[in-house]
Amino acid sequence: DGGITQSPKYLFRKEGQNVTLSCEQNLNHDAMYWYRQDPGQGLRLIYYSQIVNDFQKGDIAEGYSVSREKKESFPLTVTSAQKNPTAFYLCASREYNEQFFGPGTRLTVL
Amino acid sequence: AQSVSQHNHHVILSEAASLELGCNYSYGGTVNLFWYVQYPGQHLQLLLKYFSGDPLVKGIKGFEAEFIKSKFSFNLRKPSVQWSDTAEYFCAVNARTGNQFYFGTGTSLTVIP
Repeated sequence: DGGITQSPKYLFRKEGQNVTLSCEQNLNHDAMYWYRQDPGQGLRLIYYSQIVNDFQKGDIAEGYSVSREKKESFPLTVTSAQKNPTAFYLCASREYNEQFFGPGTRLTVL
Repeated sequence: AQSVSQHNHHVILSEAASLELGCNYSYGGTVNLFWYVQYPGQHLQLLLKYFSGDPLVKGIKGFEAEFIKSKFSFNLRKPSVQWSDTAEYFCAVNARTGNQFYFGTGTSLTVIP
């Protein structure tokens, strides 16, 4: 069953802690993306990667980091430098001009 | 940079009413256009897309959208909504030669039975 998985669905962390969100895809897509979704603000691009071992900053990369060591995996780390990390995070992959989204992770920082 | 505007933030309709959600984008070059839907508790999924050709595109669940190049618009329509259409709708644009996708702020649709 092909698709994108994100884990966990809900994540709680204390302020000041780094946290890593998982994104895995078995669609064999080269490109992967991370978005942040906040109420009334739509989806904003954090980072994207067109190929293994390469990634680019999006519009709101500050306080986040990523890695792309394998084609299937694109983990996102929310660092303590991110001033307002509580949000819904969506991962996507891309084939040609179409994106496919995972179910998302809701991160709450207490 | 590209941007996408969705004019309606929250729309409330009765069942069987017609729907039109506005979407305008700013980019001078050739674009691909998308409408996505996010049902409560579900994945973001593609409703329809426009790459080229007939500017009137049909998507899933009876939705359609019309690309009007001169107005930089890609409005979503449905002649008769159902309660199950209650969801959030996002318009998105991607430059034909670019890697980034730009999303609007979304429109929350509530359909009253």
